[in-house]
Amino acid sequence: GENVEQHPSTLSVQEGDSAVIKCTYSDSASNYFPWYKQELGKRPQLIIDIRSNVGEKKDQRIAVTLNKTAKHFSLHITETQPEDSAVYFCAANNTGGFKTIFGAGTRLFVKA
Amino acid sequence: NAGVTQTPKFQVLKTGQSMTLQCAQDMNHEYMSWYRQDPGMGLRLIHYSVGAGITDQGEVPNGYNVSRSTTEDFPLRLLSAAPSQTSVYFCASSRMGTGVSGNTIYFGEGSWLTVV
Repeated sequence: GENVEQHPSTLSVQEGDSAVIKCTYSDSASNYFPWYKQELGKRPQLIIDIRSNVGEKKDQRIAVTLNKTAKHFSLHITETQPEDSAVYFCAANNTGGFKTIFGAGTRLFVKA
Repeated sequence: NAGVTQTPKFQVLKTGQSMTLQCAQDMNHEYMSWYRQDPGMGLRLIHYSVGAGITDQGEVPNGYNVSRSTTEDFPLRLLSAAPSQTSVYFCASSRMGTGVSGNTIYFGEGSWLTVV
C-alpha cells in the first residue's frame, strides 16, 4: 500500500523567511497530492493540491512542486507570517479517490 | 450547509466499553472515511467507504467496525475500548475522483476520545 513520509517534523522560521516541507510517496499509481493545514484544535483544511499531470502550482504565497520520477513533492511558503503557524500535512491519493494516505505532519512555527 | 457533522465532540470511556462515533454529511459525497490523529503519527486511515453498502479497511482497522447503510451516514464503532484507542477521531468525506481529478477531503470537527 501507499506510504507517505514527511520532513521535517518541526520547522521554525523567522517572519518573512521561506519555509519548505518535503514529502515522498511509494505508490507510483498515486496521482493526486493535496496539502492540508491544521490550526490548533481545528480540523485539517485543504490549502493547495497538485495533480500528476502538473509539475508546479502556485497560489499567492504558497506553491507546490511534484517530481513524479523521484516520487516526491514539496510545499513552499514564502514571506511567512505568524498566522502561517500550524501543522501541515501532505497526502497522496490514487486514481478514483480511494484511500488518501497522509504524512505524519510538520509543525511550523513562524516567529515574529 | 452543515458539511460533515460528527458526534460526540468529547467522550471518556472505560476500558472494555463499546461506543459509536456518529458521522453524517449533507454534500451527497460518495466517499467517506475515518481517521485517527495521534501526536507524531499524523492522520491514519481507519476505514473507508466508496458508497452505501461498501466498506474497506484502511491502515489501522483493528478494534473498529463501520457500516454504510446510507450515503449520508458512516458511523464508527469501538467494540471493546482500549487505552491505545485514546485519540482524536476525524470523519471525512469527498466526491469520488477519476483519472487525475482528485477531490478535496472535507473533515468533521473531530471527536476527542479518552479511554481510561
